[in-house]
Amino acid sequence: DAGVIQSPRHEVTEMGQEVTLRCKPISGHNSLFWYRQTMMRGLELLIYFNNNVPIDDSGMPEDRFSAKMPNASFSTLKIQPSEPRDSAVYFCASSPGQAYGYTFGSGTRLTVV
Amino acid sequence: DQQVKQNSPSLSVQEGRISILNCDYTNSMFDYFLWYKKYPAEGPTFLISISSIKDKNEDGRFTVFLNKSAKHLSLHIVPSQPGDSAVYFCAARPEGTDKLIFGTGTRLQVFP
Repeated sequence: DAGVIQSPRHEVTEMGQEVTLRCKPISGHNSLFWYRQTMMRGLELLIYFNNNVPIDDSGMPEDRFSAKMPNASFSTLKIQPSEPRDSAVYFCASSPGQAYGYTFGSGTRLTVV
Repeated sequence: DQQVKQNSPSLSVQEGRISILNCDYTNSMFDYFLWYKKYPAEGPTFLISISSIKDKNEDGRFTVFLNKSAKHLSLHIVPSQPGDSAVYFCAARPEGTDKLIFGTGTRLQVFP
């Protein structure tokens, strides 16, 4: 079991560019979560899916952010256009359906200059 | 509005002594509370949890206490070891959901 796989590990982009973060959850896990870590707010939940369906996207900051889960083994988080205040570490996590079963990926460190 | 708060951004403890990390919450509809540990350049990993119907859960050197009337939980690490140095996140699950609400984290440093 390779765990939750996120790519890329690091991303540096210019303001205004589109950024796509990718996540492969653990096979058999039916819930997937996108979090953002910042110093001020800690780990913020952006959106989560259950059986590939978005359940709660109330944490998505604004329309520049979008997330998809086209199948059980892949999800993307897209920021278009990116802004410097989007700079953070973005984590993906998956779960078999029980909160204490969360497994996080290693994160993507995004820097927007 | 932070529903889960960790008011101490950092804590420094000597090896062998007790580490106490605190967490406060505002929502009475949380049914599970968890602690996660995070090392640099890694994702958070699950440490210990407690149901809202209990007031204590113990796992080796780690004990979590829940005081529902005060909306407060704490993590005790005894004895503390240098390998415990990490950022600790408190999290809570709203009843009927799969999501977790995290606090801002406390950086624990255990020195020899």
